[in-house]
Amino acid sequence: EVQLLESGGNLVQPGGSLRLSCAVSGLGPGRKFSIYAVSWVRRAPGKGLEWVSTISGNGAGTNYADSVRGRFTISRDNFKNTVYLQMDRLRADDTAVYFCAKDPVGSMRFYFDSWGQGTLVTVSS
Amino acid sequence: IVLTQSPDTLSSSPGETVTLSCRASQTVSNLYLAWYQHRPGQAPRLLIYGAVTRATGIPDRFSGDGAGTDFTLTISRLEPEDFAVYYCHQYDVSPLTFGGGTKVEIK
Repeated sequence: EVQLLESGGNLVQPGGSLRLSCAVSGLGPGRKFSIYAVSWVRRAPGKGLEWVSTISGNGAGTNYADSVRGRFTISRDNFKNTVYLQMDRLRADDTAVYFCAKDPVGSMRFYFDSWGQGTLVTVSS
Repeated sequence: IVLTQSPDTLSSSPGETVTLSCRASQTVSNLYLAWYQHRPGQAPRLLIYGAVTRATGIPDRFSGDGAGTDFTLTISRLEPEDFAVYYCHQYDVSPLTFGGGTKVEIK
């Protein structure tokens, strides 16, 4: 069974930085991590889900929501089966639970067949 | 594409059938619409993709329908574990977007 495990959430002051990690395991034989795109999706308190960013399987392609472009950077290490989200110049409205999720076919624009349980980021002074 | 889900909250009893709505601000082509279930503290779970196709392991109590701008998720014979928040998601057009969610609660 595929598992995604987020980490790195914390309380940070406005203007600060944080790096989230998403470790993927259980892909099984013949299913290379480098095939799959991985995305970050967040849920702010009292709100619905919001797509944040996606990275392609080989890391060459990235995409960002307008709300985070220029402040967040997504990257991946296919040797460690891990995707990262570097968050800089954090704002109060970035407060949310951040989930990572993978696609099933290697597309940057697709549904998500596996998700993590999320990590909480709180931006407050 | 803006997705509007209704109702915000739906109160129902185990054994009943409920229908959740997801309306798109423009046509979602290729039936590129998915539904997820999210229980508190757990990972969201894929229920339906391609508007009508159940994901692996999803019981047939869950069914998706619709095309164009109007989509529905029907949950038949509600089980206690079905009380959760449900989100629709379009992956036809970038940026990917989600609906605001419908909470299915026990009456």
